[in-house]
Parts: sequence; structure tokens; C-alpha cells
Amino acid sequence: AQSVAQPEDQVNVAEGNPLTVKCTYSVSGNPYLFWYVQYPNRGLQFLLKYITGDNLVKGSYGFEAEFNKSQTSFHLKKPSALVSDSALYFCAVRGADSNYQLIWGAGTKLIIKP
Amino acid sequence: DVKVTQSSRYLVKRTGEKVFLECVQDMDHENMFWYRQDPGLGLRLIYFSYDVKMKEKGDIPEGYSVSREKKERFSLILESASTNQTSMYLCASSPQDRGNYGYTFGSGTRLTVV
Repeated sequence: AQSVAQPEDQVNVAEGNPLTVKCTYSVSGNPYLFWYVQYPNRGLQFLLKYITGDNLVKGSYGFEAEFNKSQTSFHLKKPSALVSDSALYFCAVRGADSNYQLIWGAGTKLIIKP
Repeated sequence: DVKVTQSSRYLVKRTGEKVFLECVQDMDHENMFWYRQDPGLGLRLIYFSYDVKMKEKGDIPEGYSVSREKKERFSLILESASTNQTSMYLCASSPQDRGNYGYTFGSGTRLTVV
């Protein structure tokens, strides 16, 4: 069965420090991987995706994610955190041979402290 | 700017009322989805549709129904609202073209049933 795990409910980072939000997945076949961000009382916004190609994917707002096939991970990263990055982050996966549904992680709350 | 529009941001309804949540997308997407989001439970799929007049049950369809009479509109119906349906409701759409499976979300409707 396909699944996504975000092992941390919350991540706390000081402003200016690098941040990492973790995601691991389990799918049959090649994965399509996504990160979304949700600000309070808003819908989810697309950040970046990995379909194929370079393992390092760059996305919106200075975020990037690294696809690691051997570790089945797709961690979200940013070199220097901003207070405005504080939000809820969701990882999602779709198996290449599955239907159109995305399987969602439970979400990680990112708190950036000034 | 392409988007998914949910008719209401905040809604308060009484127990037993019939409630309609409307979602319209302007991207000519084939797929549309309704989720509810509750603290600690992540995103849970209620219903989805891959085509006009087509619907499929998600993980938590009980107490809900849907309607998709036109490609751009996907309505979620609470036949008899109950307090345990107080939640954030998110609509999303996605295309069926290969290599682009990302979802576009609406801003969400926060429904309170009293």
C-alpha cells in the first residue's frame, strides 16, 4: 500500500538558520512527490514537485527538496529560514501506476522564531 | 491566474440543516476532490470525481454526498448537518495529463454546525 510519513509533528528553527522538514514514502513503482504549504485558515499552496530528473528540486519561496531513492525520502529544505515561513507543510505522493489520487502525510508545523 | 474558488470562507449552520458547499475551477481540470481537515487528523478524502456526473467515495463519505453536473463545478452536500461535521473543508482539482498531477486547492470553507 502507498503511504507517506512525516515523522515530526512540529519543527522549531531560529530565523536565519537552515531548516529541514522530513518526509518518507512507500509506493510501488516510481513516485511522484509533492510539497505543499498551508498558512492559517487558507487552502494548501503548491511548493514543488519531483516527477523525474535531477534529485534536487527547487521550488517557490526559496525552498528545495532532495529526492533520495535509496532512503525513500523527499525532505524539504531551505538554507535560511524566515519568520514568514512559519506554516503547516504537507508532503504527498502518487505512485506512477496508481490512479489520480495523492496520498498525504499528516503535516508538519514549522515554527520560525525571531 | 488560474484558481479554485470555494463559495464561502466561513459558514455557520444549525444541526439538521441541509448544507451545500460549492467549488468551481477555471482550469478545465478533469479531477476534483473534497477533503476535510481536522487538527491532528490531516487531510481526509470525502469524495472525488474524475469526470462529469461521475463520483467515487473517499475514505469518509458517510453523511455527505456530491454532485458534478458540469466539469467546472463540484458540490459537496451535507444532507443533515451534525456537530461532528464542524471542520475545514477543502476542494481541489487536478489535470489528467501525464507528468502533471499536482492539485490546486481552494481557500477552504470553515464550517461550524451549532
